[in-house]
Amino acid sequence: DTAVSQTPKYLVTQMGNDKSIKCEQNLGHDTMYWYKQDSKKFLKIMFSYNNKELIINETVPNRFSPKSPDKAHLNLHINSLELGDSAVYFCASSHRVGIQYFGAGTRLSVL
Amino acid sequence: EDQVTQSPEALRLQEGESSSLNCSYTVSGLRGLFWYRQDPGKGPEFLFTLYSAGEEKEKERLKATLTKKESFLHITAPKPEDSATYLCAVQANFGNEKLTFGTGTRLTIIP
Repeated sequence: DTAVSQTPKYLVTQMGNDKSIKCEQNLGHDTMYWYKQDSKKFLKIMFSYNNKELIINETVPNRFSPKSPDKAHLNLHINSLELGDSAVYFCASSHRVGIQYFGAGTRLSVL
Repeated sequence: EDQVTQSPEALRLQEGESSSLNCSYTVSGLRGLFWYRQDPGKGPEFLFTLYSAGEEKEKERLKATLTKKESFLHITAPKPEDSATYLCAVQANFGNEKLTFGTGTRLTIIP
C-alpha cells in the first residue's frame, strides 16, 4: 500500500513531445511537491501545492505546468520536451513542513 | 540564497568502521535541518529533523548533531545495509516553505 505513488516509473520520449507524470498520495497530507533530480543527484524543488493552491513556483520554464485536481493528486505536464529535461522527477507530500514523503520517482529520458 | 554543502561527496568504509558526514549550511534564519537517506532507484526517506544548535537525534547506528553552521551525521559500526546516499536539507524561517537540499554523500560499507 504505497503512500506516494507516481506513474509512470520510466518515460522515454522524443524531443518536442508533450508528456505527463501523475502523482497520488494516500497519507491525507495537505501539501504536495514536485522535485527534479539531475544526473549529479542534486534535488531541486520545482512546485508545491497546498490544498490545491500553488504556493511554491521556482524558476522553472513555463513548459512545465503542474495541476492539482484535489489535495491527494498533483500532476506534472511538460510541453515541447528538450534534452535538458532528462532527469528523475520526484513527487512528495507532507503534513508537517520539512518532513516530506517521496515517491519512487519517474525517470524521464528525452532522445 | 540558502545554500547547503555536503562532504565528502563519497565515502567508502569497512564494516564496523565509524565515521561522520558533514553538512554545512547558509540560511537566513534556520527553521529546521533535515537528514534523508536515498537508496538507488528510490525516493529520499526521512531520517531526522534538528531545530536548534546543540540538538542531537539518534536512530540505530546513526546520530545527527547540529551547530549554528553545520550538521554532522555520525555513523557508528556501520553495516552494509547502511550503504546509501545521505541528503541534508534546510528550511529557512522566512519566505516560502521549501527545502534546499545538498548534493549528498554516497556512503558505501564494504563487508
